[in-house]
Order: sequence, then C-alpha cells, then structure tokens
Amino acid sequence: QVQLQESGPGLVKPSETLSLTCTVSGDSISSGNYYWGWIRLPPGKGLEWIGNIFYSGTIYYSPSLKSRVTISVDTSKNQFSLRLNSVTAADTAVYYCARRAAAPAGWFDSWGQGTLVSVSS
Amino acid sequence: DIVMTQSPDSLAVSLGERATINCKSSQSVLYSSNNKNYLAWYQQKPGQPPKLLISWASTRESGVPDRFSGSGSGTDFTLTISSLQAEDVAVYHCQQYYSIPSFGQGTTVEIK
Repeated sequence: QVQLQESGPGLVKPSETLSLTCTVSGDSISSGNYYWGWIRLPPGKGLEWIGNIFYSGTIYYSPSLKSRVTISVDTSKNQFSLRLNSVTAADTAVYYCARRAAAPAGWFDSWGQGTLVSVSS
Repeated sequence: DIVMTQSPDSLAVSLGERATINCKSSQSVLYSSNNKNYLAWYQQKPGQPPKLLISWASTRESGVPDRFSGSGSGTDFTLTISSLQAEDVAVYHCQQYYSIPSFGQGTTVEIK
C-alpha cells in the first residue's frame, strides 16, 4: 500500500521560500502509472491544487501560482519536492502531497497526512 | 479555469436521516467522447487528509459504504448519505478533473 509523507519547516518568514519534500513508499514514482502532486488547504478555505509532476519531468502548475512554484522529482530517492517563493501570510496552509491517477482519470487516490506551514515573521 | 461551488457550506442532520450535498461546476465536466463526468468526491475527517469516496461522479471506491452515493451530470452533482452515521461527520469536497484540477470550498456535515 502506497504511503506518502511530507517533510519540511513548519514556519517560513514572509518573502522567503517554502520548501517541502514528499517521500513515497510502497510505490515507485518511476512506475509511470501516476502523477505526483501538491495540494494545500488554507484555514477556512477549500482545497487548492498547486501542481503535478510525472516521473519523466512533465509538470503542470496552477496558473494562479505558476510564477512562484517549482515542483521537482528525485526518482533515485523516490521523492518529489515543492518550492514556493516570495511567500506571504496568504500561503499559510496545510500542504498535502498526493498521488494522482493518470489520464483519463484525474482523482487523487492517496494522500500524505499533511503538514502545516505558517508564514510569519 | 473551472470553478466548483458547493452548497450548503454546512448542514446538520439527525442520525439515520439523509444528508444531501450539492456541487456545481462553472462549465460542463461531461466528456462527450466517453460520456463520463469527470468529478470526484472526498471525505475529510478532522486531522486527517481527504479520502477518495467517489470517482466518475457515481462510482464508489472499494470499501466505501453503500449509504454514500453520487449522482448528476454536466454541471450539477449531488453526494447523498442515505442514513447518516456518527462516523460520517466530516468535510466533504468535490473535485473536477475535466481540466486542471479544482475543488469546491467544502461542506461540513454535523450531527443535529
């Protein structure tokens, strides 16, 4: 059974860069059967998709975050990562990594537990 | 971008009664070539990540109780819990995957 685990700092200062890593176990990112993605849940709001990456490096980003986001993959470590630069308080959220079924499906069938990232000085 | 709007934002239902959650998309998520609605439903309990309940608008995931059902087509969808149980207290999210993914704002289900 696949498991995903987010790791990274829980507190980031405004204007700095948020960096998170997702470690996958029980499945290989290189299998080519899934996309691997990031989603966040800001307090009091709905889920927001950030982006997905395929093991080959194909990436899709949310248009609203595209200018600030970088998602990368390290198949040797079976990990993928998120970087969000120039953060503000509006980026405070629980960040989830998740596995997304490949097209034509597009749901997220496995999720990490989530990690709260607060943006504050 | 497709905007997903859920209603109501919250509802309180007595144990054993029916709970109905609506989800409306700003454009159709029905793909004509395969006649499938590209819509999923998730359940999120406090302190837990979302759990996939339903895909293709009405296909329950393995292990999901049959009191959960999804219906609708095009732009209007419904998640129904036919007989609310205490363990169903959660936030429910809809998501479209017709284009770049987007979610509704979530609906909180509580016990009356």
